[in-house]
Amino acid sequence: GAGVSQTPSNKVTEKGKYVELRCDPISGHTALYWYRQSLGQGPEFLIYFQGTGAADDSGLPNDRFFAVRPEGSVSTLKIQRTERGDSAVYLCASSLRQGAMDTQYFGPGTRLTVL
Amino acid sequence: GEDVEQSLFLSVREGDSSVINCTYTDSSSTYLYWYKQEPGAGLQLLTYIFSNMDMKQDQRLTVLLNKKDKHLSLRIADTQTGDSAIYFCAETGGYQKVTFGTGTKLQVIP
Repeated sequence: GAGVSQTPSNKVTEKGKYVELRCDPISGHTALYWYRQSLGQGPEFLIYFQGTGAADDSGLPNDRFFAVRPEGSVSTLKIQRTERGDSAVYLCASSLRQGAMDTQYFGPGTRLTVL
Repeated sequence: GEDVEQSLFLSVREGDSSVINCTYTDSSSTYLYWYKQEPGAGLQLLTYIFSNMDMKQDQRLTVLLNKKDKHLSLRIADTQTGDSAIYFCAETGGYQKVTFGTGTKLQVIP
């Protein structure tokens, strides 16, 4: 596709459940990023991938959060035992390379609501 | 850790100039960005500036950087109703971990 796509656009789940959020980056982009945006806040860095490997996962809040990118393209953010505090918009971005001046193109986000 | 702060809200009349301000704490910031977020849309990179520059102009947008005071501003000339959005200031020290501010909601009054 022309841009970064994320599915689902909205996800409602119950506390304690497991969720998976998917990101399809722009074709050919080697770097992929996940951010979390809580209501009224700016995006908060979670993790980024260069190719298949997680180059920096220091933003993941705890071990309930995990992300994979097995073939260096699509990425899945996985959240176990969801908590109400996980409710936020999860944003994905991709860039051609991983340099700071490589523009990060953002997807529209997945709005996660944990009841 | 790094911190980026912005005022929460700005209201201007159509045709006036808007100035959105941002302060940051990381003295090693190398690149500073302005992003725009419209409802239901992804973040859009508007412009960026290197830390060794003090000004950058791009059509209606002017970015000013005061590195000594760690102050960044975005001026939008001839503000239009289509400029209504949330504007985020962001910085990185050259690595991929980008730190965003809380965003400034710009309201343009016709």
